[in-house]
Amino acid sequence: QQPVQSPQAVILREGEDAVINCSSSKALYSVHWYRQKHGEAPVFLMILLKGGEQKGHEKISASFNEKKQQSSLYLTASQLSYSGTYFCGTITGANNLFFGTGTRLTVIP
Amino acid sequence: SAVISQKPSRDICQRGTSLTIQCQVDSQVTMMFWYRQQPGQSLTLIATANQGSEATYESGFVIDKFPISRPNLTFSTLTVSNMSPEDSSIYLCSVEADRGQQQYFGPGTRLTVT
Repeated sequence: QQPVQSPQAVILREGEDAVINCSSSKALYSVHWYRQKHGEAPVFLMILLKGGEQKGHEKISASFNEKKQQSSLYLTASQLSYSGTYFCGTITGANNLFFGTGTRLTVIP
Repeated sequence: SAVISQKPSRDICQRGTSLTIQCQVDSQVTMMFWYRQQPGQSLTLIATANQGSEATYESGFVIDKFPISRPNLTFSTLTVSNMSPEDSSIYLCSVEADRGQQQYFGPGTRLTVT
């Protein structure tokens, strides 16, 4: 039931772009994205609802393809502050949030 | 938004003992959640706690091992019973806010069982 994310880890230089993918085997009602820095609690980034919408948050945006049961997170012109582990979270019929496998992003100068 | 505090922030316990973790929210919320995060891993949902009803546990988690209380709309406890080293983990509570649009997480309780 746990969504699968790819890649597992990625290293970027400041200013580079990255895409993180999230795939579920079950039908999705919504997709959440969170970022967790080491030793801290996860922090909400955005939510995407059914309808294939794309959302943006400064230089971080995401898309949701409910037919393919997939979501992608796009990070453009990465900054050092983007470093952390990114989790997608999927809501299924029971209205509970299940977190993906995680993607560790490291931005270096 | 919601501000969540957890106690204790960390603890080292001996196997066979129990630890109760407290979660306090600064506003009234309907649903509270308990997660476990093992080192370097993702978050795994343990149970959902609604005020006035028994907690709902996810597959692999049972009430005898992880009893949960939810006495009011701002507070919940999770007890880790009869601990073993495999229970060493970070335990986080979270609440649903903004009409289900997002969850806010507490800072977590880092548990080490020796």
